[in-house]
Amino acid sequence: QKEVEQNSGPLSVPEGAIASLNCTYSDRGSQSFFWYRQYSGKSPELIMFIYSNGDKEDGRFTAQLNKASQYVSLLIRDSQPSDSATYLCAVNPYNDYKLSFGAGTTVTVRA
Amino acid sequence: KAGVTQTPRYLIKTRGQQVTLSCSPISGHRSVSWYQQTPGQGLQFLFEYFSETQRNKGNFPGRFSGRQFSNSRSEMNVSTLELGDSALYLCASSGGTNEKLFFGSGTQLSVL
Repeated sequence: QKEVEQNSGPLSVPEGAIASLNCTYSDRGSQSFFWYRQYSGKSPELIMFIYSNGDKEDGRFTAQLNKASQYVSLLIRDSQPSDSATYLCAVNPYNDYKLSFGAGTTVTVRA
Repeated sequence: KAGVTQTPRYLIKTRGQQVTLSCSPISGHRSVSWYQQTPGQGLQFLFEYFSETQRNKGNFPGRFSGRQFSNSRSEMNVSTLELGDSALYLCASSGGTNEKLFFGSGTQLSVL
């Protein structure tokens, strides 16, 4: 079983729509959860982090965490062409000095 | 505040050679991690250093090694390069355990 799994892509959404990205993780003791955005040819950029159950909103992005279900999600509202990128879910397993990354979901926003 | 700096940006080597990559973390960050990214395997964890101590190591052969200096700068070394080592090598720094990880621009290594 992979440590972090993301819903398979690619995901294509029209401009202005909501893009929904999902991620599950295997280590129940995981402490912190991150979403990174990676444009083609660039390095990952941190866009959201969440530590507690519930929702966290930052601009057009909302991260949702459900530790009981071992599930993290990212919603992108009012999607823009500039949101077209690969989104990586990352989890910090308990007492482990690393981040485990999912394979990524590629999002394309159609103008 | 300056970000994470990695050098060189691009590197071309031949099989059997060795290579050293350098990383300077964000000022004040004492944790440095290294990742390998390939299209097929995604982001794979190599190792993490904190205050010159390796705290965790990924599932890579012993040809991959690293170290951290007292000023938190880090280097990773790959000896006896293989074609499969061609990848983007990313360095990231953080302020501590469970803290946010910030990536450098990476070193694109091509092994011919």
